[in-house]
Amino acid sequence: AQSVTQLGSHVSVSEGALVLLRCNYSSSVPPYLFWYVQYPNQGLQLLLKYTTGATLVKGINGFEAEFKKSETSFHLTKPSAHMSDAAEYFCAVSGSGANSKLTFGKGITLSVRP
Amino acid sequence: DGGITQSPKYLFRKEGQNVTLSCEQNLNHDAMYWYRQDPGQGLRLIYYSQIVNDFQKGDIAEGYSVSREKKESFPLTVTSAQKNPTAFYLCASSPKGTGGFGELFFGEGSRLTVL
Repeated sequence: AQSVTQLGSHVSVSEGALVLLRCNYSSSVPPYLFWYVQYPNQGLQLLLKYTTGATLVKGINGFEAEFKKSETSFHLTKPSAHMSDAAEYFCAVSGSGANSKLTFGKGITLSVRP
Repeated sequence: DGGITQSPKYLFRKEGQNVTLSCEQNLNHDAMYWYRQDPGQGLRLIYYSQIVNDFQKGDIAEGYSVSREKKESFPLTVTSAQKNPTAFYLCASSPKGTGGFGELFFGEGSRLTVL
């Protein structure tokens, strides 16, 4: 069994400020972890993923995330927020098995203030 | 360009009517999925198919049906048995062998409203 917890439903930051979106997971097997972004009325787009190897992963648009097994976390960060970062962000977890399902968190909306 | 096409983008339905949402992909992906998205609830898996002529129920399959007669197509029918069908529906695909569901590629979604 696996689950994802994204605390809070909304984060607001000023343009140029640090973005930190938290994700904690639960998994009975070594996890594969993902962050997706969704702009209004659109599908989801992969930002970055962790499968194996380096625990700090870099994605598109300047985002990165660090897999911390001891904390069961995979928080998403960006050093400097841009207005175009305003969107909904989803953390997701799966196992490596062929039949392992992808489980999404409830998502968190990021607002960027001018 | 390769991608996933969902249609229609917006759909209105009267209670008691079945409706079919289309999903076509030209990415040559083996696996396809249907998710339902409701505000504050994330994405919930309805059905998925990892190979032509085979599909499995997801977490909320009741009131829905699918078919996978072609690799490129995975239509979803929302039946009158679905008690609360108003939602945003997302279709996705992934290559074979990505480890679990792995990286998904999404369409732009279909918004269904029941009047």
